[in-house]
Amino acid sequence: EAQVTQNPRYLITVTGKKLTVTCSQNMNHEYMSWYRQDPGLGLRQIYYSMNVEVTDKGDVPEGYKVSRKEKRNFPLILESPSPNQTSLYFCASSSLPGPGGYTFGSGTRLTVV
Amino acid sequence: AQKVTQAQTEISVVEKEDVTLDCVYETRDTTYYLFWYKQPPSGELVFLIRRNSFDEQNEISGRYSWNFQKSTSSFNFTITASQVVDSAVYFCALSPTGNQFYFGTGTSLTVIP
Repeated sequence: EAQVTQNPRYLITVTGKKLTVTCSQNMNHEYMSWYRQDPGLGLRQIYYSMNVEVTDKGDVPEGYKVSRKEKRNFPLILESPSPNQTSLYFCASSSLPGPGGYTFGSGTRLTVV
Repeated sequence: AQKVTQAQTEISVVEKEDVTLDCVYETRDTTYYLFWYKQPPSGELVFLIRRNSFDEQNEISGRYSWNFQKSTSSFNFTITASQVVDSAVYFCALSPTGNQFYFGTGTSLTVIP
């Protein structure tokens, strides 16, 4: 089944403790991206990657890092999480600019206390 | 500047009524993509449609239809004969490049049985 897999689904952590949210896709998509969803703000793009070793900042990259060492994986790293990074995070992949749209992962609900 | 406005925060309709969700976008790019996504209560994001800026043809898919008008920078979404399963948050999104995406803040639709 074609899918984007994010782990974990839920995570509670403490301020300053480094964490990684993993994202993997099995569709051989070149394009991958991370978003955060906050009430009243919709989805905002954090980082995106057009291919292996090619990443770029989205609208809200501060406090986040990403890497794209393999085509299928695009982990999101929070080196020193803060409470304002409490959010619902989505990973997505796409064959754009080819046909279709994004395929999103199921989301990771992160709480930083 | 790139921006997507979904002015309707919440809409409630009675089952079998038609409902239109509004989306207005801003971009200076002449080539861009427009999207609609659905987020049901379960939380996942489901791709509904993509439109290229050079294709103003309206689209119909079952009970769903989309009206793209470049003259008014709008990409509205109509659900005909709404059903309870249509209850969800709907997001409109703009991508000038296919890489960076800009989402609206979403419209929460409740269909009352």
